[in-house]
Amino acid sequence: KQEVTQIPAALSVPEGENLVLNCSFTDSAIYNLQWFRQDPGKGLTSLLLIQSSQREQTSGRLNASLDKSSGRSTLYIAASQPGDSATYLCAVITELSSNTGKLIFGQGTTLQVKP
Amino acid sequence: NAGVTQTPKFQVLKTGQSMTLQCAQDMNHNSMYWYRQDPGMGLRLIYYSASEGTTDKGEVPNGYNVSRLNKREFSLRLESAAPSQTSVYFCASLRGASNQPQHFGDGTRLSIL
Repeated sequence: KQEVTQIPAALSVPEGENLVLNCSFTDSAIYNLQWFRQDPGKGLTSLLLIQSSQREQTSGRLNASLDKSSGRSTLYIAASQPGDSATYLCAVITELSSNTGKLIFGQGTTLQVKP
Repeated sequence: NAGVTQTPKFQVLKTGQSMTLQCAQDMNHNSMYWYRQDPGMGLRLIYYSASEGTTDKGEVPNGYNVSRLNKREFSLRLESAAPSQTSVYFCASLRGASNQPQHFGDGTRLSIL
């Protein structure tokens, strides 16, 4: 059974710092891996989607990497800002579920960026 | 565009009451999903509908039923609410290809007393 883990559960950093959020998964047979952002009281917003054949994806100050063989992904946030404060969730679609789109989520990392 | 709309946003029920959570999307997406989010447990899939007219169980389906009313609407029903069903419920939709991201509604916050 695929399991997704995110460590740490919470992180607090000063503004301007570069930071890395971690995501690990137990079964390397994934179809893709996705990073989402969730603001308090809101739904999830997609940040980056990495196909299993890709190593990384970039969007602005965000860079997500994928290492299937080791079962790990990282989300790198450059020059963090208070507006980056949110919960970040990692999720995978397994190869077996590629035709259904079923996501398996990690527990999330809650980030606070202090001014 | 509204995207994915969930109603109601908040609800308090008594144990044993029934309720239907509504979800509608205006993006002409084929697939729709219901998740629940509990503290420290991330999101877990309750039911999903890969296409109009089909529904399937997810990871935690017990105590729930769903209806894919048409392509736009996917409802989640609690027949006899239990305190363990206190949670935040999210509906999501997907155009059809799993290489696209899912779009989420803002959630329904449900408390069962």
